Amino acid sequence: DAGVIQSPRHEVTEMGQEVTLRCKPISGHDYLFWYRQTMMRGLELLIYFNNNVPIDDSGMPEDRFSAKMPNASFSTLKIQPSEPRDSAVYFCASCAFSYNEQFFGPGTRLTVL
Amino acid sequence: AQKVTQAQTEISVVEKEDVTLDCVYETRDTTYYLFWYKQPPSGELVFLIRRNSFDEQNEISGRYSWNFQKSTSSFNFTITASQVVDSAVYFCALSGGSGYSTLTFGKGTMLLVSP
Repeated sequence: DAGVIQSPRHEVTEMGQEVTLRCKPISGHDYLFWYRQTMMRGLELLIYFNNNVPIDDSGMPEDRFSAKMPNASFSTLKIQPSEPRDSAVYFCASCAFSYNEQFFGPGTRLTVL
Repeated sequence: AQKVTQAQTEISVVEKEDVTLDCVYETRDTTYYLFWYKQPPSGELVFLIRRNSFDEQNEISGRYSWNFQKSTSSFNFTITASQVVDSAVYFCALSGGSGYSTLTFGKGTMLLVSP
């Protein structure tokens, strides 16, 4: 079975541009998580979904960030407009049941110039 | 509030040495889960182990072993006979036992194994 798939793997954009990160969770997993990793702040949970419904978005930095999960096999994280401080590695993860181990995608390395 | 502390920021060892990575956690939940993840230089996060709060038995998997002690709120990870391929950042994480599953990660310990 394929693992969590993320695209793109690398994204370089200019300040003010819209950025969309994509994630396909492992089939059958009911939970999907978006994380951000930076040297300064480590791994931060941004938002997570259960059965396509957003459960907790308290980690989303500000209104420039939005996430959707239109169906069980696809989620997006959008940043509009992007800023240099958004530069980070963004991970998507999924798990089958509550308290189960989460499986992470390879991450998207975002650079905002 | 939950908290995970990995006091060792970086550890350097020579190949074949044993090394222990420390993890101390704080939680008010009586049921909780502990995890270890590995992040090699390539960047992906790899799941290593999950342990629930009711199971204090130590676990061994090849060269890896984990020591869970509720009395000291610790979940330490030992690599026996370390190898260069073990070089990575290792994260300890905690999940509460109520509500939905979210992970609180420690800051990570960078392990460098030299030949």
